[in-house]
Amino acid sequence: SQTIHQWPATLVQPVGSPLSLECTVEGTSNPNLYWYRQAAGRGLQLLFYSVGIGQISSEVPQNLSASRPQDRQFILSSKKLLLSDSGFYLCAWAPGASSGNTIYFGEGSWLTVV
Amino acid sequence: GESVGLHLPTLSVQEGDNSIINCAYSNSASDYFIWYKQESGKGPQFIIDIRSNMDKRQGQRVTVLLNKTVKHLSLQIAATQPGDSAVYFCAENFGNEKLTFGTGTRLTIIP
Repeated sequence: SQTIHQWPATLVQPVGSPLSLECTVEGTSNPNLYWYRQAAGRGLQLLFYSVGIGQISSEVPQNLSASRPQDRQFILSSKKLLLSDSGFYLCAWAPGASSGNTIYFGEGSWLTVV
Repeated sequence: GESVGLHLPTLSVQEGDNSIINCAYSNSASDYFIWYKQESGKGPQFIIDIRSNMDKRQGQRVTVLLNKTVKHLSLQIAATQPGDSAVYFCAENFGNEKLTFGTGTRLTIIP
């Protein structure tokens, strides 16, 4: 069966510091990968998605970036965090090669920028 | 872009009663819909899905209804239990790799 892991689960970072959130998927190959952000009490905002290694689509202009160095690894980064970057970050995956598939989420990472 | 909306942000239901969570979508080209359940501090979990060639789909204690004429989606939960308390999101897909999510409905089960 497929599993998705993301870490760290929680982190507190000062303004201006860098960020790296990592996500890996097991039990599948060539998945579509996603990073979502969720502000407290709000819906899910798609930040980035990837349909293959090195292929990144950005949905929202911001100071975050994403990379996919390996087929089942997706990384969310920032060089300098802003207070507004605080939130709940969710990595997700879906079977690739076609649209209209269920997206499965990881357990999320709580980021507080202070 | 177009978004998925929800009629009610909160819903309280007596334990054992049935609950209905509604969702309106605006993209008539959407052909795949999913309901997710999100418990506090956790990632959303898949509940049930439906494709646009169907009007109804049933799972264990859950039923999703799709009315394409009025672009309306609903999730019915039968015999609600305390563990059903969560935020429920609907999401739509229109033929690409992305899902568009609504803002969510918080369901509270009253003992």
